[in-house]
Amino acid sequence: GAVVSQHPSRVICKSGTSVKIECRSLDFQATTMFWYRQFPKQSLMLMATSNEGSKATYEQGVEKDKFLINHASLTLSTLTVTSAHPEDSSFYICSARDGTGGPLNEKLFFGSGTQLSVL
Amino acid sequence: GEDVEQSLFLSVREGDSSVINCTYTDSSSTYLYWYKQEPGAGLQLLTYIFSNMDMKQDQRLTVLLNKKDKHLSLRIADTQTGDSAIYFCAEKAAGNKLTFGGGTRVLVKP
Repeated sequence: GAVVSQHPSRVICKSGTSVKIECRSLDFQATTMFWYRQFPKQSLMLMATSNEGSKATYEQGVEKDKFLINHASLTLSTLTVTSAHPEDSSFYICSARDGTGGPLNEKLFFGSGTQLSVL
Repeated sequence: GEDVEQSLFLSVREGDSSVINCTYTDSSSTYLYWYKQEPGAGLQLLTYIFSNMDMKQDQRLTVLLNKKDKHLSLRIADTQTGDSAIYFCAEKAAGNKLTFGGGTRVLVKP
Protein backbone atom coordinates (compact mmCIF):
# COMPACT_ATOMS: atom_id res chain seq x y z
CA GLY A 1 0.00 0.00 0.00
CA ALA A 2 0.91 3.65 -0.20
CA VAL A 3 3.42 4.99 2.28
CA VAL A 4 3.34 8.25 4.16
CA SER A 5 6.54 9.20 5.91
CA GLN A 6 6.38 11.51 8.92
CA HIS A 7 9.44 12.98 10.64
CA PRO A 8 10.57 13.31 13.29
CA SER A 9 8.94 10.51 15.23
CA ARG A 10 9.79 12.11 18.53
CA VAL A 11 10.93 15.58 19.49
CA ILE A 12 11.64 17.23 22.81
CA CYS A 13 12.00 20.99 22.82
CA LYS A 14 12.18 23.90 25.20
CA SER A 15 9.22 26.16 25.75
CA GLY A 16 9.23 29.08 23.32
CA THR A 17 10.98 27.31 20.48
CA SER A 18 9.41 26.26 17.18
CA VAL A 19 9.18 22.72 15.90
CA LYS A 20 8.65 21.61 12.33
CA ILE A 21 7.06 18.27 11.46
CA GLU A 22 7.23 16.90 7.92
CA CYS A 23 4.77 14.65 6.16
CA ARG A 24 5.68 13.09 2.81
CA SER A 25 3.74 10.85 0.49
CA LEU A 26 6.37 8.52 -0.92
CA ASP A 27 4.71 6.81 -3.86
CA PHE A 28 1.71 8.92 -4.76
CA GLN A 29 0.81 12.55 -5.18
CA ALA A 30 -1.32 13.92 -2.41
CA THR A 31 -3.31 16.99 -3.33
CA THR A 32 -4.79 16.99 0.15
CA MET A 33 -3.15 16.26 3.47
CA PHE A 34 -4.66 16.37 6.92
CA TRP A 35 -3.12 17.10 10.29
CA TYR A 36 -4.50 15.51 13.44
CA ARG A 37 -3.70 15.81 17.11
CA GLN A 38 -4.20 12.99 19.56
CA PHE A 39 -4.19 13.34 23.32
CA PRO A 40 -3.36 10.31 25.47
CA LYS A 41 -6.07 7.66 25.33
CA GLN A 42 -8.24 9.90 23.19
CA SER A 43 -9.30 9.93 19.60
CA LEU A 44 -7.82 11.96 16.80
CA MET A 45 -8.94 15.51 16.39
CA LEU A 46 -8.63 17.09 12.98
CA MET A 47 -6.63 20.29 13.18
CA ALA A 48 -6.48 21.41 9.57
CA THR A 49 -6.82 20.39 5.96
CA SER A 50 -3.94 21.25 3.71
CA ASN A 51 -4.33 21.61 -0.06
CA GLU A 52 -1.32 21.82 -2.31
CA GLY A 53 -0.61 25.36 -3.39
CA SER A 54 -3.25 27.03 -1.26
CA LYS A 55 -3.83 28.07 2.32
CA ALA A 56 -4.77 25.45 4.86
CA THR A 57 -8.29 25.26 6.25
CA TYR A 58 -8.25 25.16 10.04
CA GLU A 59 -10.85 23.58 12.26
CA GLN A 60 -12.66 25.69 14.79
CA GLY A 61 -10.55 26.40 17.83
CA VAL A 62 -7.20 25.72 16.13
CA GLU A 63 -4.95 28.77 16.03
CA LYS A 64 -3.57 29.18 12.53
CA ASP A 65 -0.75 31.45 13.71
CA LYS A 66 0.26 28.85 16.24
CA PHE A 67 0.16 25.86 13.91
CA LEU A 68 1.59 26.90 10.58
CA ILE A 69 0.90 24.54 7.71
CA ASN A 70 2.68 24.62 4.37
CA HIS A 71 1.81 22.30 1.50
CA ALA A 72 4.29 23.47 -1.10
CA SER A 73 4.37 20.35 -3.26
CA LEU A 74 2.22 17.34 -4.08
CA THR A 75 4.32 15.14 -1.83
CA LEU A 76 5.17 17.32 1.15
CA SER A 77 3.25 19.13 3.86
CA THR A 78 4.79 20.61 6.98
CA LEU A 79 3.32 21.57 10.32
CA THR A 80 5.26 24.10 12.38
CA VAL A 81 4.32 24.51 16.02
CA THR A 82 5.45 28.05 16.76
CA SER A 83 6.51 29.24 20.20
CA ALA A 84 5.68 25.84 21.66
CA HIS A 85 4.37 25.57 25.20
CA PRO A 86 3.92 22.53 27.43
CA GLU A 87 0.20 22.39 26.58
CA ASP A 88 1.19 21.79 22.95
CA SER A 89 2.71 18.47 23.98
CA SER A 90 0.79 15.82 22.09
CA PHE A 91 0.94 13.17 19.39
CA TYR A 92 0.57 14.73 15.95
CA ILE A 93 -0.38 12.58 12.96
CA CYS A 94 -0.61 13.52 9.32
CA SER A 95 -2.54 11.77 6.61
CA ALA A 96 -2.46 12.06 2.86
CA ARG A 97 -5.24 11.42 0.40
CA ASP A 98 -4.55 9.19 -2.55
CA GLY A 99 -7.23 10.03 -5.08
CA THR A 100 -5.50 8.57 -8.12
CA GLY A 101 -7.97 5.70 -8.35
CA GLY A 102 -10.92 8.02 -8.66
CA PRO A 103 -13.55 9.02 -6.10
CA LEU A 104 -14.73 5.48 -5.42
CA ASN A 105 -11.23 4.24 -4.62
CA GLU A 106 -10.05 7.21 -2.63
CA LYS A 107 -7.96 6.28 0.38
CA LEU A 108 -6.27 8.02 3.25
CA PHE A 109 -2.90 6.89 4.49
CA PHE A 110 -1.43 7.96 7.78
CA GLY A 111 2.06 8.81 8.88
CA SER A 112 3.52 7.12 11.94
CA GLY A 113 3.05 10.19 14.08
CA THR A 114 5.25 12.63 15.97
CA GLN A 115 5.35 12.69 19.75
CA LEU A 116 6.06 16.28 20.78
CA SER A 117 7.14 17.00 24.33
CA VAL A 118 7.60 20.63 25.31
CA LEU A 119 9.55 21.20 28.51
CA GLY B 1 -22.78 17.59 13.97
CA GLU B 2 -21.13 14.27 13.44
CA ASP B 3 -20.67 11.91 16.34
CA VAL B 4 -18.99 8.51 16.28
CA GLU B 5 -19.01 6.24 19.32
CA GLN B 6 -17.26 3.02 20.22
CA SER B 7 -16.93 0.92 23.33
CA LEU B 8 -13.67 1.53 25.16
CA PHE B 9 -12.32 -1.93 25.73
CA LEU B 10 -12.55 -5.51 24.48
CA SER B 11 -10.78 -8.54 25.88
CA VAL B 12 -10.65 -11.73 23.81
CA ARG B 13 -8.85 -15.06 23.94
CA GLU B 14 -6.38 -15.96 21.23
CA GLY B 15 -8.11 -17.93 18.50
CA ASP B 16 -11.58 -16.55 19.26
CA SER B 17 -13.36 -13.99 17.13
CA SER B 18 -13.42 -10.31 18.10
CA VAL B 19 -16.28 -7.99 17.28
CA ILE B 20 -15.80 -4.27 17.61
CA ASN B 21 -18.87 -2.07 17.32
CA CYS B 22 -19.30 1.52 16.23
CA THR B 23 -22.28 3.82 15.91
CA TYR B 24 -22.44 7.08 14.02
CA THR B 25 -24.99 9.81 13.56
CA ASP B 26 -24.35 11.39 10.18
CA SER B 27 -26.68 9.84 7.63
CA SER B 28 -24.76 11.44 4.77
CA SER B 29 -21.67 9.31 5.44
CA THR B 30 -20.19 8.04 2.20
CA TYR B 31 -17.38 5.84 3.46
CA LEU B 32 -16.74 4.18 6.79
CA TYR B 33 -13.29 3.03 7.81
CA TRP B 34 -11.53 0.88 10.34
CA TYR B 35 -8.04 1.81 11.43
CA LYS B 36 -5.60 0.03 13.73
CA GLN B 37 -3.17 1.88 15.97
CA GLU B 38 -0.33 0.14 17.73
CA PRO B 39 1.43 1.84 20.66
CA GLY B 40 3.28 5.00 19.65
CA ALA B 41 2.46 4.53 16.01
CA GLY B 42 0.25 6.14 13.43
CA LEU B 43 -2.90 4.66 12.07
CA GLN B 44 -2.99 1.75 9.69
CA LEU B 45 -5.96 1.49 7.37
CA LEU B 46 -7.44 -1.97 7.83
CA THR B 47 -10.48 -1.83 5.64
CA TYR B 48 -13.28 0.41 4.51
CA ILE B 49 -16.81 0.07 3.24
CA PHE B 50 -18.85 2.22 0.94
CA SER B 51 -22.15 3.30 2.40
CA ASN B 52 -24.25 1.45 -0.17
CA MET B 53 -22.75 -1.89 0.88
CA ASP B 54 -23.80 -3.91 3.88
CA MET B 55 -20.89 -6.30 4.13
CA LYS B 56 -17.28 -6.55 3.10
CA GLN B 57 -14.89 -9.41 3.79
CA ASP B 58 -11.14 -9.21 3.56
CA GLN B 59 -9.28 -12.28 4.80
CA ARG B 60 -9.81 -12.41 8.58
CA LEU B 61 -11.74 -9.14 8.62
CA THR B 62 -15.48 -8.80 8.08
CA VAL B 63 -17.17 -5.42 8.12
CA LEU B 64 -20.93 -5.21 8.59
CA LEU B 65 -22.84 -2.01 7.99
CA ASN B 66 -26.42 -1.42 9.08
CA LYS B 67 -27.17 1.91 7.51
CA LYS B 68 -30.67 2.12 8.92
CA ASP B 69 -29.36 1.84 12.49
CA LYS B 70 -26.09 3.66 11.64
CA HIS B 71 -24.16 0.76 13.10
CA LEU B 72 -20.80 -0.51 11.89
CA SER B 73 -18.92 -3.52 13.15
CA LEU B 74 -15.56 -5.14 12.55
CA ARG B 75 -15.14 -8.85 13.12
CA ILE B 76 -11.66 -10.30 13.38
CA ALA B 77 -11.63 -14.05 12.97
CA ASP B 78 -9.03 -16.23 14.73
CA THR B 79 -7.72 -13.29 16.77
CA GLN B 80 -3.96 -13.33 17.34
CA THR B 81 -1.79 -11.60 19.93
CA GLY B 82 -0.57 -9.28 17.18
CA ASP B 83 -4.11 -8.00 16.87
CA SER B 84 -3.83 -6.30 20.27
CA ALA B 85 -4.12 -2.60 19.49
CA ILE B 86 -6.56 0.28 19.48
CA TYR B 87 -9.12 0.17 16.70
CA PHE B 88 -10.75 3.32 15.43
CA CYS B 89 -13.80 3.56 13.26
CA ALA B 90 -14.21 6.70 11.19
CA GLU B 91 -16.80 8.11 8.88
CA LYS B 92 -16.38 10.37 5.92
CA ALA B 93 -19.28 12.66 5.19
CA ALA B 94 -19.68 15.95 3.40
CA GLY B 95 -16.51 17.97 3.07
CA ASN B 96 -14.33 14.87 2.85
CA LYS B 97 -13.46 15.17 6.51
CA LEU B 98 -12.99 12.11 8.67
CA THR B 99 -14.64 11.94 12.08
CA PHE B 100 -13.16 9.32 14.37
CA GLY B 101 -14.64 7.35 17.20
CA GLY B 102 -12.84 7.28 20.52
CA GLY B 103 -11.15 3.98 19.79
CA THR B 104 -11.60 0.48 21.21
CA ARG B 105 -8.63 -1.03 22.97
CA VAL B 106 -8.46 -4.73 22.13
CA LEU B 107 -6.45 -7.01 24.37
CA VAL B 108 -5.80 -10.53 23.15
CA LYS B 109 -5.02 -13.03 25.90
CA PRO B 110 -3.07 -16.20 25.18
